[in-house]
Amino acid sequence: DAMVIQNPRYQVTQFGKPVTLSCSQTLNHNVMYWYQQKSSQAPKLLFHYYDKDFNNEADTPDNFQSRRPNTSFCFLDIRSPGLGDAAMYLCATSRDLLQGGQYFGPGTRLTVT
Amino acid sequence: QQQVKQSPQSLIVQKGGISIINCAYENTAFDYFPWYQQFPGKGPALLIAIRPDVSEKKEGRFTISFNKSAKQFSLHIMDSQPGDSATYFCAARGTSGTYKYIFGTGTRLKVLA
Repeated sequence: DAMVIQNPRYQVTQFGKPVTLSCSQTLNHNVMYWYQQKSSQAPKLLFHYYDKDFNNEADTPDNFQSRRPNTSFCFLDIRSPGLGDAAMYLCATSRDLLQGGQYFGPGTRLTVT
Repeated sequence: QQQVKQSPQSLIVQKGGISIINCAYENTAFDYFPWYQQFPGKGPALLIAIRPDVSEKKEGRFTISFNKSAKQFSLHIMDSQPGDSATYFCAARGTSGTYKYIFGTGTRLKVLA
């Protein structure tokens, strides 16, 4: 089945230790998004790629970076995780910016110790 | 700042009853209104969506009602089942800039057996 896959599902990192979260998709969608979701809150958009074009949200901390080496894969790098970065990180895709809805992966639960 | 206001924050419904969740938006620069269902520890799943040129859309037990003049839209779950117990998010997609999705704050639904 076509889907959005995130690895790992659970990640524990130490305060200040860089961590990379992975997302892959078999939908061949042009747009890939990264969201941060904290407990009992709505997903918060960090940034998205439209093909190779990167769009960063104005309030996304510099600590968060992203890479999209090809259509299928997108990575979220947290350069120096703080305790406040503990959250669920959701990857989503959409066919295009104005076509169809977003399809979310299962998320990666990040714990910072 | 574009906003989508969602209510109620939580909802308890008896099995077989109708669950109604409401959302309201504050400007007209949206063109697509999806609803997502999220189970604990999982990513949001696209449930049903509507465009503003349609007043109602039904898929199985799920119906979206859209009132363009009032800038309101709602999700109705008919014959609610315990398996429907989840958090529901409404969202609205912008029509300019990066066409980002603005999410409501979520409604935690519990359907009693």
